[in-house]
Amino acid sequence: GAGVSQSPSNKVTEKGKDVELRCDPISGHTALYWYRQRLGQGLEFLIYFQGNSAPDKSGLPSDRFSAERTGESVSTLTIQRTQQEDSAVYLCASSTLAGGVDTQYFGPGTRLTVL
Amino acid sequence: AQTVTQSQPEMSVQEAETVTLSCTYDTSESNYYLFWYKQPPSRQMILVIRQEAYKQQNATENRFSVNFQKAAKSFSLKISDSQLGDTAMYFCAFMPYGGSQGNLIFGKGTKLSVKP
Repeated sequence: GAGVSQSPSNKVTEKGKDVELRCDPISGHTALYWYRQRLGQGLEFLIYFQGNSAPDKSGLPSDRFSAERTGESVSTLTIQRTQQEDSAVYLCASSTLAGGVDTQYFGPGTRLTVL
Repeated sequence: AQTVTQSQPEMSVQEAETVTLSCTYDTSESNYYLFWYKQPPSRQMILVIRQEAYKQQNATENRFSVNFQKAAKSFSLKISDSQLGDTAMYFCAFMPYGGSQGNLIFGKGTKLSVKP
């Protein structure tokens, strides 16, 4: 079946602009995660959605970052008033069961460049 | 706080040889999962292998195997018969079992180059 998809693949924006990144999880996956990967670094957890529960936002670096998810489908990560330090690859993952029992499957990521 | 350390930023190996990538972690949890992910230049993170901490037997997946030492909090990845397609960044990751958080905690990665 189809894997996790993300759009756009690449995004270049000017400092101060808002951006929206989209993630389409694998159908039937109840859990969805967003991670940030800075150049040459590992992945940093941003936010986690599980079913209809309140999202875990503990990884969001500032209030400029927010995310939404409609039911168990698409999620959008929004970064307001972008800064140059927001430049990174943003990766989305989904899994069938939260709590570590199942494996997270990743999308190809969105490379964000803030000029 | 849980942390994952990969002490080898870069490694290289000749095709068909064996290479071992190191990973150590720090946690007070007794039940957890450990993973190795591969990230080729395409950016797609691909699961290589996973280990449940309660299992004593080391996980294996074809040419990939792990050496899991729970007391030492060590989780190394061995790649046998290395192939050119194994060239990628390799990330070790930790996930506590259960609880409200299911996010992975990643190391900084090891860049592996397989040379012909």
